[in-house]
Amino acid sequence: ETGVTQSPTHLIKTRGQQVTLRCSSQSGHNTVSWYQQALGQGPQFIFQYYREEENGRGNFPPRFSGLQFPNYSSELNVNALELDDSALYLCASSWGQGIDTQYFGPGTRLTVL
Amino acid sequence: GIQVEQSPPDLILQEGANSTLRCNFSDSVNNLQWFHQNPWGQLINLFYIPSGTKQNGRLSATTVATERYSLLYISSSQTTDSGVYFCAATNDYKLSFGAGTTVTVRA
Repeated sequence: ETGVTQSPTHLIKTRGQQVTLRCSSQSGHNTVSWYQQALGQGPQFIFQYYREEENGRGNFPPRFSGLQFPNYSSELNVNALELDDSALYLCASSWGQGIDTQYFGPGTRLTVL
Repeated sequence: GIQVEQSPPDLILQEGANSTLRCNFSDSVNNLQWFHQNPWGQLINLFYIPSGTKQNGRLSATTVATERYSLLYISSSQTTDSGVYFCAATNDYKLSFGAGTTVTVRA
């Protein structure tokens, strides 16, 4: 059984650029959630995808968008990058929505200059 | 969403000591998890414990759902226990995290 994987591990972008982060869910899971963790803080929920549909969204602007594919892997896209977008981005996969154990990937560390 | 508060914010222990971390949450939950974040940022699952008591080696956890708190116990601490411990809870689909407890275990 493979765990949750994310790519890339590190990324450096310039303010105003666009970025795509990728997540492969754990085998057998159909739900992917994305979180943003700023330095020194707990993760903040961005959104969740369940069976290829956005299932819920946190307090993030529309320039944060996502996709889930038929194999339940997922992408997080961020447009018009701002300096405050610098953070660790974590994805979590689970079976079902929310109430089941969420398993986290290793994260992508994004730096915006 | 649910508000999650963790205490203490920082904990310094001598190797071999026992400790208790607390997590208070603002509403009823259907999912509560404890995590240990390693130095590289990965969140390691410790417990899925919306209610009751569980044990895994030197770690154990108890959630009293009716009183809206959970406790994580670390016994006979080791230097490898150092790191940030997070509690996260939800009653819908989005996990709300506390600010974490930073544990430092000294040899």
